[in-house]
Order: sequence, then C-alpha cells, then structure tokens
Amino acid sequence: DQQVKQNSPSLSVQEGRISILNCDYTNSMFDYFLWYKKYPAEGPTFLISISSIKDKNEDGRFTVFLNKSAKHLSLHIVPSQPGDSAVYFCAASVAGGTSYGKLTFGQGTILTVHP
Amino acid sequence: NAGVTQTPKFRVLKTGQSMTLLCAQDMNHEYMYWYRQDPGMGLRLIHYSVGEGTTAKGEVPDGYNVSRLKKQNFLLGLESAAPSQTSVYFCASGPTGQGTWGYTFGSGTRLTVV
Repeated sequence: DQQVKQNSPSLSVQEGRISILNCDYTNSMFDYFLWYKKYPAEGPTFLISISSIKDKNEDGRFTVFLNKSAKHLSLHIVPSQPGDSAVYFCAASVAGGTSYGKLTFGQGTILTVHP
Repeated sequence: NAGVTQTPKFRVLKTGQSMTLLCAQDMNHEYMYWYRQDPGMGLRLIHYSVGEGTTAKGEVPDGYNVSRLKKQNFLLGLESAAPSQTSVYFCASGPTGQGTWGYTFGSGTRLTVV
C-alpha cells in the first residue's frame, strides 16, 4: 500500500513559469514532510521541508504548501529555471519518538523546464 | 569534501553470488539508512541503524543483511543475489540540521543481477 503518492509521473513547464508538483498521503500519523531533488547519476538532495503545525514554508523560489485535512502537499517553484529539471520526490515521516528519521517516499515526478 | 561515500558505483552479479555494499560518512551522524530505488516505486527503506552496533529492518529487508561495526560505516550484504534485487541502492545518514530529517544521500550503487 503506497502511503505517499505522486500521481503525476512527469511535468513539463516553460522557463519563467510556475511549476507545481503534487503529493498525497494516506497515513494520518505523518507529521513532517520533505521534498528531495534528484539529478541523474546522483543521490537525492534535500530541498525543503514542512512540519504539520504549519501550512506553508518558503525558501527562495521554492514554497511548500500543506493541506492536512486533504492529506495533500504541493511544491511550487517560481520562476522555474532549466536547472530545475530533475526528479522530485515527496517524503513523509513521523517526527521524533521511535521513528528514527525513517522516510516514506513517493514515486517521484520528472520535471522538465524548457528554455 | 564531507559527505556520504558509496562503493562500488556499479556492479553486475550472477544469480546466487554474494556481495557487500559499503557506505561511509564523515559527518559523525548517528543514523544511517539503506534505500533502494526502483522505477515507479520511489525509494524504499531496506534497513537502518540508529547508532554503532545497532541495526533494524525497514520496509523491504528480505534478502539483505546489514552491519554497523563502526559509527562511520554501514554495510549492506546480499548473501545470494536474485534478479529481483536489480536496483539502484542509496545510503543516507542524518540528521543534518537542514530540517529535522533532511539527511544526506550518497550517489548510489547501480546493481544488476543476471
């Protein structure tokens, strides 16, 4: 059972426009969410995170929105740049306690930003 | 540069052969993890360790064993490789301070079992 789902395998966007990547989760115990970015032949790199006590977190061109009632989060990239072309993974965790930082990942979305 | 180093980067095994993947980190992190990435499946946790001498099972542990004899190293073993273990394996360590669980990944080991 896929507890974290990214239903769009790919997204294509024009340079300068907004990219919106979506993620849904089913486990109501998740209270910490992260986005990772992955280039080919490299490991994933941490991008941005959000705690369930917030509904928005912003870092430069990247903003993550969390809708707990809908069990949905999204990553907005504004403006999109060709260098943003990569695979984006959504991940979720139960913060603290005995979770030990274990993450549950979505399937990934391939973002292509065209010049 | 500080980080997570995985060896080897590529390997081809025959069914039934054994091998060990090595992960080394120089950031003094307590927690280390092994994930596998398969098309359409995202990354799935195989085993993890919360400190030297400790290991625990993740989501897909069958067919793998691990050891953490030293804090900086986390080894993943395949005793008898199967084609279903063809995958890209990523090691990670954390936490990093970039948010509670924004841990650091290695660059991966691409394993093919024929």
